[in-house]
Amino acid sequence: EDQVTQSPEALRLQEGESSSLNCSYTVSGLRGLFWYRQDPGKGPEFLFTLYSAGEEKEKERLKATLTKKESFLHITAPKPEDSATYLCAVLKNTDKLIFGTGTRLQVFP
Amino acid sequence: SQTIHQWPATLVQPVGSPLSLECTVEGTSNPNLYWYRQAAGRGLQLLFYSVGIGQISSEVPQNLSASRPQDRQFILSSKKLLLSDSGFYLCAWGTSEKLFFGSGTQLSVL
Repeated sequence: EDQVTQSPEALRLQEGESSSLNCSYTVSGLRGLFWYRQDPGKGPEFLFTLYSAGEEKEKERLKATLTKKESFLHITAPKPEDSATYLCAVLKNTDKLIFGTGTRLQVFP
Repeated sequence: SQTIHQWPATLVQPVGSPLSLECTVEGTSNPNLYWYRQAAGRGLQLLFYSVGIGQISSEVPQNLSASRPQDRQFILSSKKLLLSDSGFYLCAWGTSEKLFFGSGTQLSVL
């Protein structure tokens, strides 16, 4: 069965304390993996697309990486404004998109 | 630039009442449109998608229906709401490889 699992469910960091969020997946026929950011009471906002193992994408303090079984979202020296829920989604070659349940990140000053 | 509007932001409805949520997109023509539901502790679930006027595909059998009366308008409806219909409803446009979401409607069925 296709599955996308994100861990941890919640993460509390001190400002400047770097960490990583994990997205592990078991799907047949992976076409791509995506990261979204969702602020409370808002719709998700697209961050990154990763298509092949070894690929990396960066945006400000965020860097996304992909292996054959998981993706990491690395947050370097986070700031309070990075607080949000980060969603991972996997796209199958059947055009089916499967979302994880997200990691809720809180960054404290 | 493209923008997506979704309303209302919050809605409290009694069980058995009807529902109509509306979504409109500006700045693009013939967009693919989607309705998602986000329930607590669950990933975003695709409910409906549309590739054109009058063309609706349903992903999950349920108490809801969707319509696309105009190119950039997508409506989610129900004749009689159930408690289990509560959740955060999101409209989106784009493709599976990049979705642009509206701000969502928090629906509480009591």
